[in-house]
Amino acid sequence: DGGITQSPKYLFRKEGQNVTLSCEQNLNHDAMYWYRQDPGQGLRLIYYSQIVNDFQKGDIAEGYSVSREKKESFPLTVTSAQKNPTAFYLCASSKGVFGTVFHQPQHFGDGTRLSIL
Amino acid sequence: RKEVEQDPGPFNVPEGATVAFNCTYSNSASQSFFWYRQDCRKEPKLLMSVYSSGNEDGRFTAQLNRASQYISLLIRDSKLSDSATYLCVVKRTSNTGNQFYFGTGTSLTVIP
Repeated sequence: DGGITQSPKYLFRKEGQNVTLSCEQNLNHDAMYWYRQDPGQGLRLIYYSQIVNDFQKGDIAEGYSVSREKKESFPLTVTSAQKNPTAFYLCASSKGVFGTVFHQPQHFGDGTRLSIL
Repeated sequence: RKEVEQDPGPFNVPEGATVAFNCTYSNSASQSFFWYRQDCRKEPKLLMSVYSSGNEDGRFTAQLNRASQYISLLIRDSKLSDSATYLCVVKRTSNTGNQFYFGTGTSLTVIP
């Protein structure tokens, strides 16, 4: 079945440690996104990528990094510079870029919960 | 001003009731509109797209008013399984690609 796979489901980070969250999609979608959700709050955009080898900062990119070496993969690294990393991280993808294919929604993976040890 | 604003609720309604959620968006260049539902501690899932002429999917009806920049979702004959948070989402294209803007969600609890 086509979909988005995030791993791990739960992750614990020690002080000063970088951790990487995996996101893989087999939907042949061009665009991929990373969001952070804190308890009782909405989704906030961290980074997004419309094509391979290109990505853009979202609203809260500080302390995070991404890469897009393959169309299917968009890993997120939470660096030690992110002082409050505890949150629910959601990866999403959508078809089409730059206004093409209207009404194409985002599809989400089932998320990674990150906590500090 | 927020891109997308929703009444956070909570809405507590009895089974069988009709309930309506509203959403406003600030940028008139927004192109596509969606409703998602999010269950507790789960990912958002697409409920339905919202088309200019309005559209219906079973017990769910979505409406769009571009002039007022207003989106609505109507749920008829509420079921216990409808209990969730409903997210209003707006899509817009910039010179860096397509971006999706999420409301903070409206919480619905359907009571037996």
